[in-house]
Formats: sequence, structure tokens, C-alpha cells
Amino acid sequence: QKEVEQDPGPLSVPEGAIVSLNCTYSNSAFQYFMWYRQYSRKGPELLMYTYSSGNKEDGRFTAQVDKSSKYISLFIRDSQPSDSATYLCAMSGDQAGTALIFGKGTTLSVSS
Amino acid sequence: EAGVAQSPRYKIIEKRQSVAFWCNPISGHATLYWYQQILGQGPKLLIQFQNNGVVDDSQLPKDRFSAERLKGVDSTLKIQPAKLEDSAVYLCASSLPVGGYTFGSGTRLTVV
Repeated sequence: QKEVEQDPGPLSVPEGAIVSLNCTYSNSAFQYFMWYRQYSRKGPELLMYTYSSGNKEDGRFTAQVDKSSKYISLFIRDSQPSDSATYLCAMSGDQAGTALIFGKGTTLSVSS
Repeated sequence: EAGVAQSPRYKIIEKRQSVAFWCNPISGHATLYWYQQILGQGPKLLIQFQNNGVVDDSQLPKDRFSAERLKGVDSTLKIQPAKLEDSAVYLCASSLPVGGYTFGSGTRLTVV
């Protein structure tokens, strides 16, 4: 079993849709959870950063962490064509500076 | 602030040749990472530096890969000799002790 599982998609939605992206993980020691967005031929860029369980909202983006289920989600409201990218979940242990472990990434396409 | 700089952007080499990649992290970021991203996969950690020292190189194929970070700033990653399966994007990232990473745009390596 991989440490971090993420459905690669692809996921296609119309503009304005609500998008839900998910990852599951097996290591209960993970405490830091992040979502990165990666456009084609670019490096990943940090979208959301959460510590431990709970929700975090930033504009159209909401990140949720459910440690009891080892499940994290990213919701995108009012999706835009500019949101078309690959979304990577990433997580690390409870010691600061522990390297991130990434999921495979989910490719999202938003059509206008 | 200036981002993470990487060069070259693209490299094509024949198998068994050697290649080197360069990374300049964000000023003040003590931690530097090299990740390998194979097409359709999430980034996989190769090596993590804290200032000059290696924190984690457990997934670095040491028979052919080497990396150094002189004076705790710039870093180079070398492959010698290259194999076909080394074709990937090599991403450099840097971070503060706590928080998300900032990635460079990566070096796309094709081994033929």
C-alpha cells in the first residue's frame, strides 16, 4: 500500500462547478497537509497548508483534513478555466522539516 | 522575493552520459530538496539538505546520483551514468523550517 493515494483522474467539469479532490493516506504520523497546483511544464505551487485536523478556507478554495479517516480534501468553488491544472496532495510527519510525500496528482480540466 | 532558480530548463543526453543540474534556492531558506517527477507521477524525494548537511538521502540511487550543497546556498545534482529510466523532471525546492515548499520550474531530462 502506497503511503499517499490520489485518484489521477482526469476530471472534467464545466465552468462554475464545485470540484472535490481527495487523498487518502496510511501513515498516522502525518500532521502537515498541503495542496499544490501544477500547471503544465511548471513547478508545483503551494495552494493550501493545514496542520492536523480541521478546515481551512482561502477564497474559492477549502481544504479539509479528517485524521480519524486518514482522508484529506480540496474543494474548489465556482471553478474557472484557469483552474485547469494538476493538483497534488502532500503531507509530512510531526517533526518540522520532514520531507513531503506527494500523491500522484489529479488532472483537472474546467471547460468554459 | 525571487523564486527558486534552476538550470538548465531542458536537457537531452544519451544513456551512459553524465549530466548536472543546478539550483539556487530562495535567500534565507536553509532547507533544500531535490525531487524527481516522472511523467504522470507525483514528485519523489531524492535528497534533503539542511544548510550544508544531508538530512535524508535514503531514496537517492547513490551508485549513479550525487548531490552537494556548497556553503549552504546553491546545490548541484549529478547523474553519472544516466539510464533511460532517469528521464523525468528534476525539481528543486526550498523552505523555511516550518511551512510549504517553493519549487523551481524544474529541469526536464530526456535520456535517449
